[in-house]
Amino acid sequence: NAGVTQTPKFRILKIGQSMTLQCAQDMNHNYMYWYRQDPGMGLKLIYYSVGAGITDKGEVPNGYNVSRSTTEDFPLRLELAAPSQTSVYFCASSYGQALSKNIQYFGAGTRLSVL
Amino acid sequence: AQTVTQSQPEMSVQEAETVTLSCTYDTSESNYYLFWYKQPPSRQMILVIRQEAYKQQNATENRFSVNFQKAAKSFSLKISDSQLGDTAMYFCAFISGSSNTGKLIFGQGTTLQVKP
Repeated sequence: NAGVTQTPKFRILKIGQSMTLQCAQDMNHNYMYWYRQDPGMGLKLIYYSVGAGITDKGEVPNGYNVSRSTTEDFPLRLELAAPSQTSVYFCASSYGQALSKNIQYFGAGTRLSVL
Repeated sequence: AQTVTQSQPEMSVQEAETVTLSCTYDTSESNYYLFWYKQPPSRQMILVIRQEAYKQQNATENRFSVNFQKAAKSFSLKISDSQLGDTAMYFCAFISGSSNTGKLIFGQGTTLQVKP
């Protein structure tokens, strides 16, 4: 059981480049999330999805886009990378929104540097 | 707005001893969950323990236990018989029962070092 899988683990981008961070889960979870973690800080929500075809903005969505074409996959797209997007990105998933079902399981993270 | 505060940026403990990490939160709601997540150097976020606001009994998971003081809005984590593998950053997190996003609200984290 792989859980939540993120690729790549590390990436260096030049300013203005684009990339997609991949996230896949094999737990048949409805909810998926993207967070970013800046140095010495907690995680902040970028985007979330409550099911295939449904996405919405979180706390810090600017500069990012997402899509959810399947239950399993939830890629995060950076269109024009900026130094402010240097961070560690975490994908998470949970079975549902109800408190008793919202135990979020996290991927191992992607460390992104924009130079 | 809900907030989570961890006032101890760094802590250290000797192996086999007990350590308590502090967390306070602010909310006007009565229905919520609180969590402690562990982030070792590998960066993987690992759920340590969770507490439902309606339950008066403090949650326990092996060497990990919490002291949940609802009126004081305090949620501390006690690690007994500390082990070298407990070295990690620990995050306190909150989720509201009225949230339409399922978003976790995280504290700033406490870095714990267990010394041999």
